[in-house]
Amino acid sequence: SQQGEEDPQALSIQEGENATMNCSYKTSINNLQWYRQNSGRGLVHLILIRSNEREKHSGRLRVTLDTSKKSSSLLITASRAADTASYFCATDNGNNRLAFGKGNQVVVIP
Amino acid sequence: DTAVSQTPKYLVTQMGNDKSIKCEQNLGHDTMYWYKQDSKKFLKIMFSYNNKELIINETVPNRFSPKSPDKAHLNLHINSLELGDSAVYFCASKDRGWTEAFFGQGTRLTVV
Repeated sequence: SQQGEEDPQALSIQEGENATMNCSYKTSINNLQWYRQNSGRGLVHLILIRSNEREKHSGRLRVTLDTSKKSSSLLITASRAADTASYFCATDNGNNRLAFGKGNQVVVIP
Repeated sequence: DTAVSQTPKYLVTQMGNDKSIKCEQNLGHDTMYWYKQDSKKFLKIMFSYNNKELIINETVPNRFSPKSPDKAHLNLHINSLELGDSAVYFCASKDRGWTEAFFGQGTRLTVV
């Protein structure tokens, strides 16, 4: 089954810095999504990028998608302490399968 | 109003017991999921239902049996609980098309 696989898995940065995390997957997709999970909570959707899109922005978030390399990146600019969370990418193959990877733990130090 | 709600939030039980986790969504979505998140935070899909029909059944032991009485509910029943079943279980729902999923707050199951 296809899965998103994020790399690196743990990131510690100072407030105000940018955080970048990557995701790779193995099979064809309709779209790729990024989610955030705060400690002890459910996942919250951040942004969706379609397979025919290369880049998408939402506030301080920037997502890129390279379908030829089967990879995506999530950039959080000007990070804040409240951005401390785990970030997951998920691949949607259009057949009701939304597959997640291991996630990146991001710690933003005030 | 909570969009996707799961009960209970915490569940501690002994090995060998049978337990159920309930999930309800009020979003009118056709598709619902169960995911298992292990101690390393890996989130693995277990089941997917579309309009009460089972669509995806990953290689989950048959001790796990999902039940969808209607498209707003997807419950998870687990028989003969084992230590390895300890995890956080998430329910999610999704509308048709290229849309995002909405997650419940999770059920932390601890088998002792």
